[in-house]
Amino acid sequence: SQQGEEDPQALSIQEGENATMNCSYKTSINNLQWYRQNSGRGLVHLILIRSNEREKHSGRLRVTLDTSKKSSSLLITASRAADTASYFCATGSGYALNFGKGTSLLVTP
Amino acid sequence: DVKVTQSSRYLVKRTGEKVFLECVQDMDHENMFWYRQDPGLGLRLIYFSYDVKMKEKGDIPEGYSVSREKKERFSLILESASTNQTSMYLCASSVPSGLAGGTGELFFGEGSRLTVL
Repeated sequence: SQQGEEDPQALSIQEGENATMNCSYKTSINNLQWYRQNSGRGLVHLILIRSNEREKHSGRLRVTLDTSKKSSSLLITASRAADTASYFCATGSGYALNFGKGTSLLVTP
Repeated sequence: DVKVTQSSRYLVKRTGEKVFLECVQDMDHENMFWYRQDPGLGLRLIYFSYDVKMKEKGDIPEGYSVSREKKERFSLILESASTNQTSMYLCASSVPSGLAGGTGELFFGEGSRLTVL
């Protein structure tokens, strides 16, 4: 399966700082998506970037995609304690998405 | 608001029992999925369905089966539960992402945490 891999596995920052998470994948994709999961809950979709797009913004989120390097990054600006969660990238070219193991983000006040 | 509902948040079953995990979506989505999530392993796809009565194996289908008799409902069945099936099970649904192909945004349920003793 073409599973994405997030880096770092864990990230700890203070409120107001920016958080950057990276994702690498192995095969060609139609789109790449980022999800967030609060502890013990289901995943929530954050943003989808298509293979022909290079950058996308949504509120405090900025996602980039470099298909030549098979990598993506998620930037959360001006982080808040409520951003504490696990973040997953997901890739796929068919019906299903394959998820990485996630980055655990801790934002301390 | 879109909604994916999983029938049970927490279940405790005994080894050898038959277990049904139910998932219902109210968005008229074609695609539905079952994943399991384990610490250190992330999410792994068990089965998915792209239409009523259609099913496809994911990465780890062994020990599981699924049923999709109606568009809104996708059931995961553990024929004979084993302790290594103790996990968080996540159901999701989506529509195809259109001309670009692939799958669109997945909507997840809250998860069903299954413990097999």
